[in-house]
Amino acid sequence: EIVLTQSPDFQSVTPKEKVTITCRASQSIGSSLHWYQQKPDQSPKLLIKYASQSFSGVPSRFSGSGSGTDFTLTINSLEAEDAATYYCHQSSSLPFTFGPGTKVDIK
Amino acid sequence: EVQLVESGGGLVQPGGSLRLSCAASGFTFSSYSMNWVRQAPGKGLEWVSYISSSSSTIYYADSVKGRFTISRDNAKNSLYLQMNSLRDEDTAVYYCARERNSGSYDRWGQGTLVTVSS
Repeated sequence: EIVLTQSPDFQSVTPKEKVTITCRASQSIGSSLHWYQQKPDQSPKLLIKYASQSFSGVPSRFSGSGSGTDFTLTINSLEAEDAATYYCHQSSSLPFTFGPGTKVDIK
Repeated sequence: EVQLVESGGGLVQPGGSLRLSCAASGFTFSSYSMNWVRQAPGKGLEWVSYISSSSSTIYYADSVKGRFTISRDNAKNSLYLQMNSLRDEDTAVYYCARERNSGSYDRWGQGTLVTVSS
């Protein structure tokens, strides 16, 4: 099973600040890494697919990078509405797995 | 508008059974693979099961293999999850999710809560 680890677990950020979340896979997964945003009491929403491809309708301040085992989700100029938990997800091999999540809080 | 609406959750005793449904609308359901993903209270996301568009390929997480059965009815635009021999640790919100060719899940339902407790 491919284990995804995320860091940090929690981040408290002021608006307009830049946020960087990393996701590391226990083995190479190419670019089969996706990012989701989940706000409290809501279902997850797709932000980034294939490591760096923005999903339709997602604000341009969200971007992804990486390949192999190391991936990054960047939120440029954080807005208050970005308070959420962010998950990475690999679809390279079974069982498909998710990272433990990174909670982003607004100061 | 793409919509996925889960139903069928509820309170069930350990060892009991439940059948979840996911009604799809706003897109050609028969063209997409589908998944079930669950989230225990206050916890992260866990992939549960996958079914291809034609039902020819099915996968399960080890934690549910042999107890859960995924199926779909393309004529009814519906996805199902039959859950048997339920355990306390199956307590979670269950989401159905549409899969893109990339393997990402681009649409999720609102979820249905399954509580396994005596």
